[in-house]
Amino acid sequence: QVQLQQSGPGLVEPSQTLSLTCAISGDRVSSISAAWNWVRQSPSRGLEWLGRTYFASSKWHSHYAVSVESRITIIPDTSKNQFSLHLNSVTPEDTAVYFCARLQWGSKYLDFWGHGTSITVSS
Amino acid sequence: IQMTQSPSSLSASVGDRVTITCRASQSISTYLSWYQQKPGKAPKLLIYAASSLRSGVTSTFSGSGSGTDFALTISSLQPDDFATYYCLQTNDLPWTFGQGTKVEMK
Repeated sequence: QVQLQQSGPGLVEPSQTLSLTCAISGDRVSSISAAWNWVRQSPSRGLEWLGRTYFASSKWHSHYAVSVESRITIIPDTSKNQFSLHLNSVTPEDTAVYFCARLQWGSKYLDFWGHGTSITVSS
Repeated sequence: IQMTQSPSSLSASVGDRVTITCRASQSISTYLSWYQQKPGKAPKLLIYAASSLRSGVTSTFSGSGSGTDFALTISSLQPDDFATYYCLQTNDLPWTFGQGTKVEMK
């Protein structure tokens, strides 16, 4: 059974960098059958896909939502079997619950999710 | 791709048949999945590839559609089914969710 364990601070100051980690058990971050995603949820934006990373053709790939692409990085860590989200220059609009999730290639669905981390951007 | 989900909320009773729809702004083949979310919890996958039931999910849930029009049907609403439901398209980046349908007790 795949499990995703999220960690990271719940409060971030404006203009700083939001960093979250998602530790994977039951699968490998380098799996060729999966992609690793971050999704956030807020009352104003609903559920919003932020980006993904995956290993294919002997290299890592990342793709990001246009709304955050100038500020976001998703980084895999094979030594710890985890991936992380870094969102810089945050504003109060980045206040949300952040989820990590696994996507299965093929039919492309998000089958396993982290528990969610509530992030508040405030001084 | 914009996903228009309707209704945004509905009131129903245990045993009722409930249908939620999602319309894509362009064809997404069958790259459509449905999720159930309860307060304070992560979304939970119910249906993938528009109509495939995830293992372990009760067969009262079913999905249908292809192209631009999709539906999630609960054939007989159970007490545990009162929740918010979302569709997700994964045909084209950026992947996009519907706005959600809250199923409340009548």
